Amino acid sequence: SAVISQKPSRDICQRGTSLTIQCQVDSQVTMMFWYRQQPGQSLTLIATANQGSEATYESGFVIDKFPISRPNLTFSTLTVSNMSPEDSSIYLCSVDSPPDRDNYYGYTFGSGTRLTVV
Amino acid sequence: AQKITQTQPGMFVQEKEAVTLDCTYDTSDPSYGLFWYKQPSSGEMIFLIYQGSYDQQNATEGRYSLNFQKARKSANLVISASQLGDSAMYFCAMRPFYGGATNKLIFGTGTLLAVQP
Repeated sequence: SAVISQKPSRDICQRGTSLTIQCQVDSQVTMMFWYRQQPGQSLTLIATANQGSEATYESGFVIDKFPISRPNLTFSTLTVSNMSPEDSSIYLCSVDSPPDRDNYYGYTFGSGTRLTVV
Repeated sequence: AQKITQTQPGMFVQEKEAVTLDCTYDTSDPSYGLFWYKQPSSGEMIFLIYQGSYDQQNATEGRYSLNFQKARKSANLVISASQLGDSAMYFCAMRPFYGGATNKLIFGTGTLLAVQP
């Protein structure tokens, strides 16, 4: 299965500032997914990032708040812009691992970025 | 609408005993995949097991097995011989293979499992 390196692992940010989260995959993948997990909640998909095209955002998420870059097939960034305390969450990137012979390892996730906005 | 329901917010189990975490799903898609993930307090998401909707046999991965009952739309996770390291949040998720929402994982609300010595 794919291995994802996500940075930073955690950060504490001032309100009104922006944070860019990076995900690097050890293999080429068509789609990368960005999720938000608010405290005590489940994961919610923010957007799907395809290389060479605009990201597709889910209802409730907009590009101005969560701009995404996907410059190549192994890398993507998510920026959380003009942050407020309500943006305090874990942000995770994910890719779908292709089947390996008879095994399917499912979606692989980065280790997550634990963001606190003060 | 596609939805995953996990009705157990929290569960306790004694070490070395088996535990079943419930998951029901709702979809009109004929083809879909079901997943279970483990999230320790560190926050990472660890893939445990996968079941395809057309798979005839229930999936197994070591101590994990998935009790798939298609007619009931349930996909319960069974952990045998629980270990202290199994204490974590467990998420059930579904991916439809048709329609506009392909590739999108839909998550349940999770079950927090605590394994007691």
